[in-house]
Amino acid sequence: NAGVTQTPKFRILKIGQSMTLQCTQDMNHNYMYWYRQDPGMGLKLIYYSVGAGITDKGEVPNGYNVSRSTTEDFPLRLELAAPSQTSVYFCASSYSKGEGWETQYFGPGTRLLVL
Amino acid sequence: AQSVTQLGSHVSVSEGALVLLRCNYSSSVPPYLFWYVQYPNQGLQLLLKYTTGATLVKGINGFEAEFKKSETSFHLTKPSAHMSDAAEYFCAVKGSGQGNLIFGKGTKLSVKP
Repeated sequence: NAGVTQTPKFRILKIGQSMTLQCTQDMNHNYMYWYRQDPGMGLKLIYYSVGAGITDKGEVPNGYNVSRSTTEDFPLRLELAAPSQTSVYFCASSYSKGEGWETQYFGPGTRLLVL
Repeated sequence: AQSVTQLGSHVSVSEGALVLLRCNYSSSVPPYLFWYVQYPNQGLQLLLKYTTGATLVKGINGFEAEFKKSETSFHLTKPSAHMSDAAEYFCAVKGSGQGNLIFGKGTKLSVKP
C-alpha cells in the first residue's frame, strides 16, 4: 500500500512553460486535494475533488487546472508558469462523506522552482 | 469564515522539557480541529483531531491537545520532548467547503540535547 504518491519530486521550469504534477492514491479514497506550501504561510488549498469527474476551486486556484477522470489520479496542470508559482505542492486524499472530520493523507510533495 | 492562528513560528525546548504549541481558532460553527506534523522533506501526517465529545484528545507519539471553547484554543502538548519531535507542526480547522482544511502558518519545533 503506497498511499499517496507524487511525481516529480523536484522540477525547475522557465517562465511561460507548462507542466503537470502527478498524484496517485491507492486507498480508494473519494476525496482528493491539491495544496501549495509557501515558507511561513502554511498550506493553501488550490483545488479539490469529491469524486471522479467532480472538481472545485479552493482558496488559490488561479493559474492552475485539474481533472479527475479516475478515482486514483488527480493531476494538477500549470499552463503558463510564473515565478509566483514557485512553491512546494502537496497532494492529499481522504475517504469522506463530506462531514469534514476525516483524516487527510498527504503525499511527499513536489518542489517547483520557476525561473 | 474559519481561521487559525498559531502563536510562535519557532519554539525551542530542551530534551525532556514540556512541549507547548499554541493554536487559536475562529469558527462560526462547532469546529473540527486538527494537528498535523511535517518532518523535514516529508508530507504532513495527522497527530490528532477533535470532532465532538471529550475535549482532551490524545494522539500519536505522546502528544495531546485540549479543546477549550471559551478560549477558542486547541493547544498541543507533550510532557517530555524527544529529539525525534523536531519538526514543523500545523494546526488546522475544517473550512466551510466540502472537506477542506484551513491551516495555520505552522510552528517549527527545535529540540536541544
